[in-house]
Amino acid sequence: SQKIEQNSEALNIQEGKTATLTCNYTNYSPAYLQWYRQDPGRGPVFLLLIRENEKEKRKERLKVTFDTTLKQSLFHITASQPADSATYLCALVRGRTGRRALTFGSGTRLQVQP
Amino acid sequence: ETGVTQTPRHLVMGMTNKKSLKCEQHLGHNAMYWYKQSAKKPLELMFVYNFKEQTENNSVPSRFSPECPNSSHLFLHLHTLQPEDSALYLCASAGLAGGRNEQFFGPGTRLTVL
Repeated sequence: SQKIEQNSEALNIQEGKTATLTCNYTNYSPAYLQWYRQDPGRGPVFLLLIRENEKEKRKERLKVTFDTTLKQSLFHITASQPADSATYLCALVRGRTGRRALTFGSGTRLQVQP
Repeated sequence: ETGVTQTPRHLVMGMTNKKSLKCEQHLGHNAMYWYKQSAKKPLELMFVYNFKEQTENNSVPSRFSPECPNSSHLFLHLHTLQPEDSALYLCASAGLAGGRNEQFFGPGTRLTVL
């Protein structure tokens, strides 16, 4: 069966350190992989998208890698700040033509300590 | 207003009530989605509308009835719900060009079924 796995345990790090979150998937061949941020009681907010033929994508303090051989994406936040504390969701875009559906992981909660 | 709006933000209803959730997007998108988010579980896609036509129904019970009168508005009609239907209901929209399927979420409706 198709699965997307994110670490359900919360990740606690000190301010200024790099946070690394993992998204593993099985039985998918996604065309794109996306990362979202969700704050409590709010809808997710899109952060980054990476294509299957891209190894790495950066946006300010964020970096995403995508290894289609390992079926894994890593999401890094450098110089982390308490304001980065949130739940981070990965999502796979299934399908290569026409309508493309999105499947989400359950998310990993990040807590950045001051 | 900009982005995706949802009303009401909170709803408490009995199992015999009938209520409706409303979603409106001001982004010019042509796809709209309903998701259910329960504690500790991934976002569950419920319904997808492309150009006002329903294109996906993920085995959702008939006590949930979607309606999409135009590409900017989406409703979810609720009747005879069960306590296990209590969750955060999220609406999202996306432009379909390019296949990125980047989702723009509303703030959600927190539903409690007594």
